Amino acid sequence: DGGITQSPKYLFRKEGQNVTLSCEQNLNHDAMYWYRQDPGQGLRLIYYSQIVNDFQKGDIAEGYSVSREKKESFPLTVTSAQKNPTAFYLCASSISGTGDSEQFFGPGTRLTVL
Amino acid sequence: GENVEQHPSTLSVQEGDSAVIKCTYSDSASNYFPWYKQELGKRPQLIIDIRSNVGEKKDQRIAVTLNKTAKHFSLHITETQPEDSAVYFCAARGGRYKLSFGAGTTVTVRA
Repeated sequence: DGGITQSPKYLFRKEGQNVTLSCEQNLNHDAMYWYRQDPGQGLRLIYYSQIVNDFQKGDIAEGYSVSREKKESFPLTVTSAQKNPTAFYLCASSISGTGDSEQFFGPGTRLTVL
Repeated sequence: GENVEQHPSTLSVQEGDSAVIKCTYSDSASNYFPWYKQELGKRPQLIIDIRSNVGEKKDQRIAVTLNKTAKHFSLHITETQPEDSAVYFCAARGGRYKLSFGAGTTVTVRA
């Protein structure tokens, strides 16, 4: 279903812990994105990467970090500095990083802070 | 940055009727406007998009219109069916090559 996968599906974290969400794509896409989805707020961009070894902050980057060492992978770390991390996280990829090509989404990871 | 507002937040229609969702954007330089559909428990998927050099685009029962002067665009679904029940998101590409999404519209088609 689109060649983009996320793991785990569900993740539980204790307060004060960092956690890393995995995102992998085999579509040979240049660009990858991380969104946070909260009820009634749509999709908010956390970080995006237009090409390997490069990434930019989105609208709500505080408390998150990413890396893009390989074209296929774009892991997201939710740090203890993120004040309200409980949410549904979606990863996406697109063939180009110009913002005007279709984005293919992964199945998502639901993070719950206990 | 770009700000996208979407209305209504919920929409209930009788099967066979039409549904219309409206979005406004703030950045006059925005030139790409996709619509994504997210069925319950599934990932968002692109259903139609429009670029700023076109005023209207149709694909079977769905259509999108764009008014650049007023900075708004709309999704029209005709002859609604139960499988049209989902959350619909509009988006606009502003500066820095990134999409800004609306808050979403939950569409329920009543049988």
